[in-house]
Amino acid sequence: NAGVTQTPKFQVLKTGQSMTLQCAQDMNHNSMYWYRQDPGMGLRLIYYSASEGTTDKGEVPNGYNVSRLNKREFSLRLESAAPSQTSVYFCASSEAGTGDQPQHFGDGTRLSIL
Amino acid sequence: AQSVTQPDIHITVSEGASLELRCNYSYGATPYLFWYVQSPGQGLQLLLKYFSGDTLVQGIKGFEAEFKRSQSSFNLRKPSVHWSDAAEYFCAVTWYNNNDMRFGAGTRLTVKP
Repeated sequence: NAGVTQTPKFQVLKTGQSMTLQCAQDMNHNSMYWYRQDPGMGLRLIYYSASEGTTDKGEVPNGYNVSRLNKREFSLRLESAAPSQTSVYFCASSEAGTGDQPQHFGDGTRLSIL
Repeated sequence: AQSVTQPDIHITVSEGASLELRCNYSYGATPYLFWYVQSPGQGLQLLLKYFSGDTLVQGIKGFEAEFKRSQSSFNLRKPSVHWSDAAEYFCAVTWYNNNDMRFGAGTRLTVKP
């Protein structure tokens, strides 16, 4: 009964380093999302994948890339990490990207950029 | 631009007291509205959702919310708060055939014994 699994749970990087955050869901959902959560700002959408083979930018995509590896997996890559990317990152999935499907969230990856 | 406002950053209530968390949205068409709860170190869990129909919706853990179109509001309520309800609560909005869910900044709930 895993749901949405994110790895790693914690990571510390130096400025300029690269990193990939992994996300996998076992609910056979079509749509997947990456958010960042910063104090006082709620969650903001970075990228989403409405279905396997498609990705689109969200509200705050700059500095990030994504890959929908297959139906289960959706990764987020920081090519050259910056201190402004220190945040908690959440992956989510939903049955479809039709707006009326609730999203199911992982437990987050806490990322610090020094 | 579409947006969600949660006016209260932090609310403290006594255990057993009633609770109302406010949420206002800004969007022209009919929205899909959600309330999520987040415990420390955890992801978000869906409490309830509104798409259409009856404007009073029931959720898990004894929560309910009322959609008021005239006020662009979707406030969350609970008649009697339990200590385990202490968490952060997020209101979110999206709309038909859209993946861009917008979240409010959250309201942190503290429950006094």
